[in-house]
Amino acid sequence: AQSVAQPEDQVNVAEGNPLTVKCTYSVSGNPYLFWYVQYPNRGLQFLLKYITGDNLVKGSYGFEAEFNKSQTSFHLKKPSALVSDSALYFCAVRLINAGNNRKLIWGLGTSLAVNP
Amino acid sequence: GAGVSQSPRYKVAKRGQDVALRCDPISGHVSLFWYQQALGQGPEFLTYFQNEAQLDKSGLPSDRFFAERPEGSVSTLKIQRTQQEDSAVYLCASSLAGGGAVRADTQYFGPGTRLTVL
Repeated sequence: AQSVAQPEDQVNVAEGNPLTVKCTYSVSGNPYLFWYVQYPNRGLQFLLKYITGDNLVKGSYGFEAEFNKSQTSFHLKKPSALVSDSALYFCAVRLINAGNNRKLIWGLGTSLAVNP
Repeated sequence: GAGVSQSPRYKVAKRGQDVALRCDPISGHVSLFWYQQALGQGPEFLTYFQNEAQLDKSGLPSDRFFAERPEGSVSTLKIQRTQQEDSAVYLCASSLAGGGAVRADTQYFGPGTRLTVL
C-alpha cells in the first residue's frame, strides 16, 4: 500500500537557523512528491513538487526539497528559518502513470515552530 | 486570479441532518478533488472529478456521502443523515490537469469547510 511518513510531529528551530522537515514514502512505482503548508484557519498552500529531473527542487518562500530515490525520502529544507514559517507542513505523494488515479496520499503533518 | 472558494466556511449540524458543501474551483481547471481532514490528521481523499465525470469515489466513507459536478465546474459534496464522526474540515482542490504539462498536477486548495455535527 502507498503511504507517506512524516516521522516528527513537531520541529522546533531558532530563527535564522536552518530547518529540515522530514518525509519518507512507500510506493510501488515512481512518485510525484509534494510539500504543502497550512496556516491556522487557512487552506493548504502549495510549496513545491518533484516531478523529474534535478533531485533538488526549489519552491516558494525560500524552501527547497531533495528527492532521494534510494532512501525514498523528500525532506523539506530552508537555510534560514523565519518566525513566519511557523505552520503545519504536509508531504504528499501521487503515482506517476496512475492513469485517472490522481489522488494525493498525505502524511500526518509536522508542526514547525520557529522561535525568535 | 481567484483561487478555489468554498462555502460555507463553517457549518454546524444536528446529528441526522443533511448538509451540502459547495466548491468553486479555479476557472478552467478540469480536475476537482474532495478531501476530508480530521483534527490533527492529514487530508484523506474522498473523490475526484474530471470535468463532470466522477472518476474515483473510492474514498467516500459511506453511501451517506455523495458528490456531484453536473456542469464540470462547481461541485457539491452532500452528506445525508450526518453523524458525529463526520465532523471534520472538508477540503476542495482543483488542478488544470492538462496533457503532460508539468504544472498540470499541482492541486490548489480552498480554505475548507469546517463541519461540526452535534
